[in-house]
Amino acid sequence: DTEVTQTPKHLVMGMTNKKSLKCEQHMGHRAMYWYKQKAKKPPELMFVYSYEKLSINESVPSRFSPECPNSSLLNLHLHALQPEDSALYLCASSQELSGLVKLFFGSGTQLSVL
Amino acid sequence: GENVEQHPSTLSVQEGDSAVIKCTYSDSASNYFPWYKQELGKRPQLIIDIRSNVGEKKDQRIAVTLNKTAKHFSLHITETQPEDSAVYFCAATYAGKSTFGDGTTLTVKP
Repeated sequence: DTEVTQTPKHLVMGMTNKKSLKCEQHMGHRAMYWYKQKAKKPPELMFVYSYEKLSINESVPSRFSPECPNSSLLNLHLHALQPEDSALYLCASSQELSGLVKLFFGSGTQLSVL
Repeated sequence: GENVEQHPSTLSVQEGDSAVIKCTYSDSASNYFPWYKQELGKRPQLIIDIRSNVGEKKDQRIAVTLNKTAKHFSLHITETQPEDSAVYFCAATYAGKSTFGDGTTLTVKP
């Protein structure tokens, strides 16, 4: 299995809702990432997990809460989001933690916050 | 932190022509430079990469060159085809963190 799977593909939520994004990989990769991508913009790094431990947090607001239950799964818990948080949320994984960080991206969750 | 500039932002070529996209980076500690292709509505996918100790790498119709001294690297696509139309992102990587350029929208006209 050489894919990163994300669910759901689309999500619409109100500003008071709580929802979670899920990501799964079975390539044995040791690092997992959350990126945010606005239309016509590059992916922006949010969080990095290395060996299931949070290693990088790019000063993301606390309304985004990541979780790595095991080496194959990555979640992003969403609470009290703002309309400007509407974007494509991409999960990625890589075998290497540094050096040749080849990112394998999932198809993303298109999030709309109303 | 690292800053990556990418040019041009849009590029239109005729089928069969070559396309060149250029990136510069600021942090001399960056040691790995991948290129990602993102088709409309799809995920970014790695198409080619280069390490800091290599000057050039080629894979069929695509090639990447790196000038460490000048801190710039380029993507070259020869014999372009309509299916090459996409957004291309360069990235500079250090210590597990990849910083992306703003992207180049390549359109190949049949």
